Amino acid sequence: SQTIHQWPATLVQPVGSPLSLECTVEGTSNPNLYWYRQAAGRGLQLLFYSIGIDQISSEVPQNLSASRPQDRQFILSSKKLLLSDSGFYLCAWSPYIQAAEAFFGQGTRLTVV
Amino acid sequence: ELKVEQNPLFLSMQEGKNYTIYCNYSTTSDRLYWYRQDPGKSLESLFVLLSNGAVKQEGRLMASLDTKARLSTLHITAAVHDLSATYFCAVDMTYSGGGADGLTFGKGTHLIIQP
Repeated sequence: SQTIHQWPATLVQPVGSPLSLECTVEGTSNPNLYWYRQAAGRGLQLLFYSIGIDQISSEVPQNLSASRPQDRQFILSSKKLLLSDSGFYLCAWSPYIQAAEAFFGQGTRLTVV
Repeated sequence: ELKVEQNPLFLSMQEGKNYTIYCNYSTTSDRLYWYRQDPGKSLESLFVLLSNGAVKQEGRLMASLDTKARLSTLHITAAVHDLSATYFCAVDMTYSGGGADGLTFGKGTHLIIQP
């Protein structure tokens, strides 16, 4: 069966510090991978999606970047965090087929102080 | 731009009652998903609706899709406290094979079921 791992679960970082969140998927090949953010009291916003290694698309311009160095690894990064980067970050994957639901990792709660 | 609107955004109801959450979306799509999120937790997939008229049921929850009206409903029957959570609908705008454009989510319905 497929599993998705996301870490860390909780992170408190000062403004201006770098960020690296990692997500890995097991039990499948060539998944579509996604990073979503959920700000307090708001819905989910798609940040990045990827259909393959080094193939990243960004949905909104922001202080964040994503990379996919391996087929089942997706990394969310920032060089300098802003207060507005605080939120709940969710990694998700879906099979490389049409009309597939997305399965979410456990999330990372990031607080920038 | 695809817009997905849920209503109500907040619902407090008593155990044993029935209620419906509505999800409207702004453009043509025949793929709609319902997720559940418990406080501080990730999203759990509930239903996948892939065609007009699709209806799926799991326990006290039933979801349906009307693609012509661009409307999905999540009906709760005889609510119990364990169903308290935030429920999201999401629409998939991908039409091509291997689609990876991601889901567009509604803002969620925060459901509280009181004993």
